[in-house]
Amino acid sequence: DAKTTQPNSMESNEEEPVHLPCNHSTISGTDYIHWYRQLPSQGPEYVIHGLTSNVNNRMASLAIAEDRKSSTLILHRATLRDAAVYYCILVRNTPLVFGKGTRLSVIA
Amino acid sequence: GAVVSQHPSWVICKSGTSVKIECRSLDFQATTMFWYRQFPKQSLMLMATSNEGSKATYEQGVEKDKFLINHASLTLSTLTVTSAHPEDSSFYICSARDSSYHNQPQHFGDGTRLSIL
Repeated sequence: DAKTTQPNSMESNEEEPVHLPCNHSTISGTDYIHWYRQLPSQGPEYVIHGLTSNVNNRMASLAIAEDRKSSTLILHRATLRDAAVYYCILVRNTPLVFGKGTRLSVIA
Repeated sequence: GAVVSQHPSWVICKSGTSVKIECRSLDFQATTMFWYRQFPKQSLMLMATSNEGSKATYEQGVEKDKFLINHASLTLSTLTVTSAHPEDSSFYICSARDSSYHNQPQHFGDGTRLSIL
């Protein structure tokens, strides 16, 4: 499986934007980039996904580099409820395989 | 949006007991469901892929006789931890896609916390 690299942890102030980076230099042409998050003691929650173009939904935006070797999940205005572990996963035709993700802390 | 329901939320039982966990897709049909396990402070590990009407596919290192999976209908998969021991204590999470296309999101249950005494 193609691998992703994310920082172990990040911190953000409440009500400020957060940019969560993900490197995936070995991505193949058919890999989709998915983002999920896991709040404490809960199952993961789907956030957003894309292939080549940037994507927006009610939760976040996904910015994908032109060469697709990296992507950034953007939370436009962090709230305390956004504190979670965020996983960037390449999806090829297999079940999701989770890495360690980025633990986001939000400071009030 | 698509909802996956998992039951029970938590179980505490004695060593040697078998425990069944149910996973239901509430508003969609799922020919394939996935079972994960998560130990404290670790990421999710895929245990097996559950296929409706056929045998589950287990990941390397997961004992199929220990973790029995049954996917008898398009909306229900069950995981039975047989003769559970303290080392089986973990957070078990099921997941499903509401589409046969792999690029579509997977939806997750809220997990079952299993504690074996």
